[in-house]
Amino acid sequence: SQKIEQNSEALNIQEGKTATLTCNYTNYSPAYLQWYRQDPGRGPVFLLLIRENEKEKRKERLKVTFDTTLKQSLFHITASQPADSATYLCAPGGDTGRRALTFGSGTRLQVQP
Amino acid sequence: GAGVSQTPSNKVTEKGKYVELRCDPISGHTALYWYRQSLGQGPEFLIYFQGTGAADDSGLPNDRFFAVRPEGSVSTLKIQRTERGDSAVYLCASSLNGYGIPNEQFFGPGTRLTVL
Repeated sequence: SQKIEQNSEALNIQEGKTATLTCNYTNYSPAYLQWYRQDPGRGPVFLLLIRENEKEKRKERLKVTFDTTLKQSLFHITASQPADSATYLCAPGGDTGRRALTFGSGTRLQVQP
Repeated sequence: GAGVSQTPSNKVTEKGKYVELRCDPISGHTALYWYRQSLGQGPEFLIYFQGTGAADDSGLPNDRFFAVRPEGSVSTLKIQRTERGDSAVYLCASSLNGYGIPNEQFFGPGTRLTVL
């Protein structure tokens, strides 16, 4: 069956460091992968989308990679700030023509000042 | 320029009751999605509308769950004979369209449903 794995344990880093979050998927051939941020009590907010033919995508301090051979996406936040503390969700999509997203369980990031 | 809104923000009901959850998508968005999220989990897909029609309802867990979008804008998720296991946050999202290049989805704040 299809499976999306994100580190269930929280990631704690110091302000200014680079945070790297991992998303692994199995039994999927996604055409794209989206990353969302979710704060407590709020709905997810879209951050980045990367397509299967793109190796890397950047947006300000964010960088996403997509390795279809390893079936893995890495999400990086450089020069992290306490305001980056949140849960980050990955969502591979487009594998079966479905429009709806299938989300991982998310990784909680805590940036210490 | 309002975002996706959902009402009520909280709903407490008793086992066996019927509930309706409402979603107001962003104006002009033709695609609308319902998800539900349990504590510590990511959102789980329930149903997707393209316009007025349910294009994909494969995520609905059973026939107690039903959703409508009669005019292609507001949608209502209906749950009959609620069970304690239905307790979760129900999220609604909309996107500009449901075709071609995948669009980002804009989520509402969710409705927290508690079934006692």
